[in-house]
Amino acid sequence: GAVVSQHPSWVICKSGTSVKIECRSLDFQATTMFWYRQFPKQSLMLMATSNEGSKATYEQGVEKDKFLINHASLTLSTLTVTSAHPEDSSFYICSARVNRTANYGYTFGSGTRLTVV
Amino acid sequence: GEDVEQSLFLSVREGDSSVINCTYTDSSSTYLYWYKQEPGAGLQLLTYIFSNMDMKQDQRLTVLLNKKDKHLSLRIADTQTGDSAIYFCAETLYSSASKIIFGSGTRLSIRP
Repeated sequence: GAVVSQHPSWVICKSGTSVKIECRSLDFQATTMFWYRQFPKQSLMLMATSNEGSKATYEQGVEKDKFLINHASLTLSTLTVTSAHPEDSSFYICSARVNRTANYGYTFGSGTRLTVV
Repeated sequence: GEDVEQSLFLSVREGDSSVINCTYTDSSSTYLYWYKQEPGAGLQLLTYIFSNMDMKQDQRLTVLLNKKDKHLSLRIADTQTGDSAIYFCAETLYSSASKIIFGSGTRLSIRP
């Protein structure tokens, strides 16, 4: 089945540094990938939609200069949290739509837990 | 607007059936999904139903859709300890097939 690999699974960084999270589709091409943020005991909040070869579409309230998204190939999208602060600590999850399925199915990565100290 | 609501907690005895409920507001839903999230992990698609269906059964899972009341439920038969997780109801809309909207999640706990 369709697999999305997300890396790293967890990261601790110092305030002011940048962190890059990668999301790869392993056995399919993903023209569109999605980045979510999840606070403890809360639902997933869509941050942005990443489109291969074009600019990402950000949801209202999400700072595009803070959360840089790059989708340079059909199998890789990256999210870079720039100048991270403790309030950016969260669980970040990517997903991709598997176009070949009939149910608009979405496959999710395993998530990245970011802790900013 | 787009809104998907679920109750936050459910506790059931091992071996009993679990029923997790979800309501949504947008009548233009195309697909409705149930995802399972175990601690510290991503989301696993359990099952889905197309909006013109009333019911779908897959082994221990039964999904019921009442489109008139905009109500979706997931029944897990013979609930086991491994079913402990957070269950998210989600929908995609006809107007925006790329966007998936999640409910708040229901934390299912199993007691012996």
